[in-house]
Amino acid sequence: GAVVSQHPSWVICKSGTSVKIECRSLDFQATTMFWYRQFPKQSLMLMATSNEGSKATYEQGVEKDKFLINHASLTLSTLTVTSAHPEDSSFYICSVRDSRLGEQYFGPGTRLTVT
Amino acid sequence: QKEVEQDPGPLSVPEGAIVSLNCTYSNSAFQYFMWYRQYSRKGPELLMYTYSSGNKEDGRFTAQVDKSSKYISLFIRDSQPSDSATYLCAMSASYSSASKIIFGSGTRLSIRP
Repeated sequence: GAVVSQHPSWVICKSGTSVKIECRSLDFQATTMFWYRQFPKQSLMLMATSNEGSKATYEQGVEKDKFLINHASLTLSTLTVTSAHPEDSSFYICSVRDSRLGEQYFGPGTRLTVT
Repeated sequence: QKEVEQDPGPLSVPEGAIVSLNCTYSNSAFQYFMWYRQYSRKGPELLMYTYSSGNKEDGRFTAQVDKSSKYISLFIRDSQPSDSATYLCAMSASYSSASKIIFGSGTRLSIRP
């Protein structure tokens, strides 16, 4: 199955600063990657769909100016949380889907803590 | 009504028991079904993937799909403490990346030694 990596695995930042999270697809080229957010003991919430070479598609209620997504290559997508606030503290997980078979694989996640 | 319903648990069973995890769905367009296991503070791990009605077996895991009843199940045989995790069902209408995957809320499972 696909291997997806994320970096960093855990980050602590001060309120008002920006944080960048990287997601890499290691097994196959991904024209589409997905970013999810998960609060403790809750299910995954799709934030946005990252499209290689074009603008990301954001889900309703997700601020595109706050959560900047860049998908510059077929193996790398980045999520930047701008002007982070404590309420942005969460577990961010990226995912890729094998378009030939439909299986979706997740990265290990990034835990963001904003102080 | 949510598109996918999953009992959140928690479900606690003794080691060695057979575990049954279930999801129901309302959208008859769903054709692809997945089960994920998620340990605390980790990303979900794909356990089973199927796109047809019936059973699919992989080791101690069996995925069952009944499209007529809009009901899917995951069975775990000879459960182990290491199976303690949250299990998420997921489904979509197509294998294409353009087709959204809808997740259940997850069932927390605890296997007692």
